[in-house]
Amino acid sequence: AQSVTQPDIHITVSEGASLELRCNYSYGATPYLFWYVQSPGQGLQLLLKYFSGDTLVQGIKGFEAEFKRSQSSFNLRKPSVHWSDAAEYFCAVGADSTLTFGKGTMLLVSP
Amino acid sequence: GAGVSQSPSNKVTEKGKDVELRCDPISGHTALYWYRQSLGQGLEFLIYFQGNSAPDKSGLPSDRFSAERTGGSVSTLTIQRTQQEDSAVYLCASSLGGTLTYGYTFGSGTRLTVV
Repeated sequence: AQSVTQPDIHITVSEGASLELRCNYSYGATPYLFWYVQSPGQGLQLLLKYFSGDTLVQGIKGFEAEFKRSQSSFNLRKPSVHWSDAAEYFCAVGADSTLTFGKGTMLLVSP
Repeated sequence: GAGVSQSPSNKVTEKGKDVELRCDPISGHTALYWYRQSLGQGLEFLIYFQGNSAPDKSGLPSDRFSAERTGGSVSTLTIQRTQQEDSAVYLCASSLGGTLTYGYTFGSGTRLTVV
């Protein structure tokens, strides 16, 4: 069965600084990988996804993620964080038609 | 509709009561999913409907939980004899054709509090 680990429960980043959120997955085959963002009281919004091909994928809101098979990782990055990026971020791995999610990383943005 | 709609947005119930949570998926989306989000636990898969196929119930935590989907559209998640550990946000999602190609579209969830 697939699983996802997000090692950081909370991360605090200064506004304008770069961001990297870590995600490691366990899955026997080529994974479908996703990043979602959840603002308080809201559902989850898809940021980006990886299926195959180019290992660097671009998403919405200036986010990108890189798939590294050798490290079983799919880390999310943003070059310059804005205060509006403060939210909870979830990494997910897909198998068949269902997604398995990590426990999330809460991003706090300091002025 | 334009998005996935869930109702009610908040529900407070007494321990032992039954509750029903509703999900109205995006029109044309044949796949529908229920997840539970507990504090610090991420999202836990509950059940998956795809078209007219038998649902995948492998994530339901106990026989107090059940779900149905009528006419391939609206779904109801029922929790019988609620317990305090059932308190969580219940999220519904839908997708096109049961494929992961497009990811899921989530509703805003129902926050269930059992007192």
